[in-house]
Amino acid sequence: AQSVTQLDSHVSVSEGTPVLLRCNYSSSYSPSLFWYVQHPNKGLQLLLKYTSAATLVKGINGFEAEFKKSETSFHLTKPSAHMSDAAEYFCVVSDPVGNEKLTFGTGTRLTIIP
Amino acid sequence: GAGVSQSPSNKVTEKGKDVELRCDPISGHTALYWYRQSLGQGLEFLIYFQGNSAPDKSGLPSDRFSAERTGGSVSTLTIQRTQQEDSAVYLCASSPGTSGSYTQYFGPGTRLTVL
Repeated sequence: AQSVTQLDSHVSVSEGTPVLLRCNYSSSYSPSLFWYVQHPNKGLQLLLKYTSAATLVKGINGFEAEFKKSETSFHLTKPSAHMSDAAEYFCVVSDPVGNEKLTFGTGTRLTIIP
Repeated sequence: GAGVSQSPSNKVTEKGKDVELRCDPISGHTALYWYRQSLGQGLEFLIYFQGNSAPDKSGLPSDRFSAERTGGSVSTLTIQRTQQEDSAVYLCASSPGTSGSYTQYFGPGTRLTVL
């Protein structure tokens, strides 16, 4: 079975400072991992995905994530936070033998302090 | 091109009534998924369709829930005899196929409130 654990339910950072959202995964297979973002009253948008190619994945809006097999981690980072980054972020793993259905983490709410 | 669309955007119903939620996937996408986002359970998988194959219903929480996909395109999720615990946002996603390299694109969701 696949699972992801988001270690922080809420993260607050000041505008212009780095962002780190932590995610650990558990998978019986070589996983496909994703980060999705959900802005208030908006749909889910894909930020980036890892599918066994480069371990450092670059996404939209300056976000990136590094797949570390030894640590079973897939943390999301951004060098400099912007007010528009305030949203809920979900770490997600797909099930390669279960029709690629997605298993979501519990989410991390990111607040940006002006 | 057009993304995944869902209707209605909001639905308020009384306990015990049946509801139908509609999803229009991206044209040409063969895979379609339904998920539910609720306060108590987070985001969870409900059901999956791929082409003409039998759907994967393993995530449906009870037999009051059913879904169909007509002509390999539009899908309808039906909840019979709604209960208050069915209140949630129901999300539909589609993808070009079934592979980890494919992205699932989500619709805006239908917010269901059962009074």
